[in-house]
Amino acid sequence: QSVLTQPPSVSGAPGQRVTISCTGSSSNIGAGYDVHWYQQLPGTAPKLLIYGNNNRPSGVPDRFSGSKSGTSASLAITGLQAEDEADYYCQSYDNSLSGFVVFGGGTKLTVL
Amino acid sequence: QVQLVESGGGVVQPGRSLRLSCAASGFTFSNYGMHWVRQVPGKGLEWVAVIWFDGSNQFYVDSMKGRFTISRDNSKNTLYLQMNSLRAEDTAVYFCARDRGFGELLRYNFDYWGQGTLVTVSS
Repeated sequence: QSVLTQPPSVSGAPGQRVTISCTGSSSNIGAGYDVHWYQQLPGTAPKLLIYGNNNRPSGVPDRFSGSKSGTSASLAITGLQAEDEADYYCQSYDNSLSGFVVFGGGTKLTVL
Repeated sequence: QVQLVESGGGVVQPGRSLRLSCAASGFTFSNYGMHWVRQVPGKGLEWVAVIWFDGSNQFYVDSMKGRFTISRDNSKNTLYLQMNSLRAEDTAVYFCARDRGFGELLRYNFDYWGQGTLVTVSS
């Protein structure tokens, strides 16, 4: 059971727009902590995709964008491409006793 | 370019110990906080521990406190994870990851990851 809740899977056709939600609580996202997103291609390490809610590291296409509101955040991918097929994880900081860093359970994106 | 290379994984019996290493290159290792994150095969990511840039502080997820120890040797540009009293549920790929902050400023998110090392706890 992950602290942040993501849908297990989403799908879309090439060229379409998809969004992935990430729901937290008052001890993490709702407390004002930033949300970050990682992309994990099959068999590889995670890669930072979005940091600080809506900032893209150098080299990440502007097709990827993030937003945050209240206790939730979202990752949007526009102009879907076959190479976007991957697992996506949201992550934040949590001020409860159980730990500092919390992840979502991950969302498998399938490009149809 | 930044590189993080983990090693030390393998098959270990329950109750035994294992030490993982993460060799860093391409950046000034002593300027960055470092983390361990693990992933059970086919499952999600789980944060394990963090260590300050100078090794002065370490924090762990509650479930691993007392069994795992994170440390670093800045003279060798290497991060470690000592894992004791291993259990079957510790079976996972262990990643080292660099904190996106600098110096004393930890941001608790990760801009570079190693490729991971698989630890299998089994009799």
